[in-house]
Amino acid sequence: GNSVTQMEGPVTLSEEAFLTINCTYTATGYPSLFWYVQYPGEGLQLLLKATKADDKGSNKGFEATYRKETTSFHLEKGSVQVSDSAVYFCALSGFDYGQNFVFGPGTRLSVLP
Amino acid sequence: GAVVSQHPSWVICKSGTSVKIECRSLDFQATTMFWYRQFPKQSLMLMATSNEGSKATYEQGVEKDKFLINHASLTLSTLTVTSAHPEDSSFYICSARQTTSTDTQYFGPGTRLTVL
Repeated sequence: GNSVTQMEGPVTLSEEAFLTINCTYTATGYPSLFWYVQYPGEGLQLLLKATKADDKGSNKGFEATYRKETTSFHLEKGSVQVSDSAVYFCALSGFDYGQNFVFGPGTRLSVLP
Repeated sequence: GAVVSQHPSWVICKSGTSVKIECRSLDFQATTMFWYRQFPKQSLMLMATSNEGSKATYEQGVEKDKFLINHASLTLSTLTVTSAHPEDSSFYICSARQTTSTDTQYFGPGTRLTVL
């Protein structure tokens, strides 16, 4: 079946460090890929998305490139801030999947000042 | 941008009572809404897909008689947890897909349910 795998957390970084959160997926067809962020006590917010191979999604300094050859959608940010501390979820969706989202387990990021 | 609200944001109830959670798309029409459940420090698990004007489609293992879903309009879906028990305590999150969108869902802020 369709699935999303993320690197296990928690990830702890110092402010201004480089961030990478790995995400790989298993799916038939051509899903859209997403990164969502969840701040403490809140719901999910769309961070970025990519709808086809080689697309790069970007927002708030975060970016991720849809790599079909490696079935990956790794999240990166060049310089993290304390305010980036949250849980990040990789997800896929698309027509082939009944429009449902399949979420990864989430990766908790803590950024220390 | 598209906004989805949930009400209430948190609720505490006694075991055996029923609780209704509302999910509204505030500035767009949503033919389809989704209900998720999230346990502490875990990912979201899809419970059911709610289509306006028709019966909800439940995921395997989700009791449809316990989690009643109604999607009476293009901007409102409700989830009723009937005869709630402590194991139903969780964070419930809804999402809505714009009628005109192919894949983007907008998530509500979630409702934290605590059953005593």
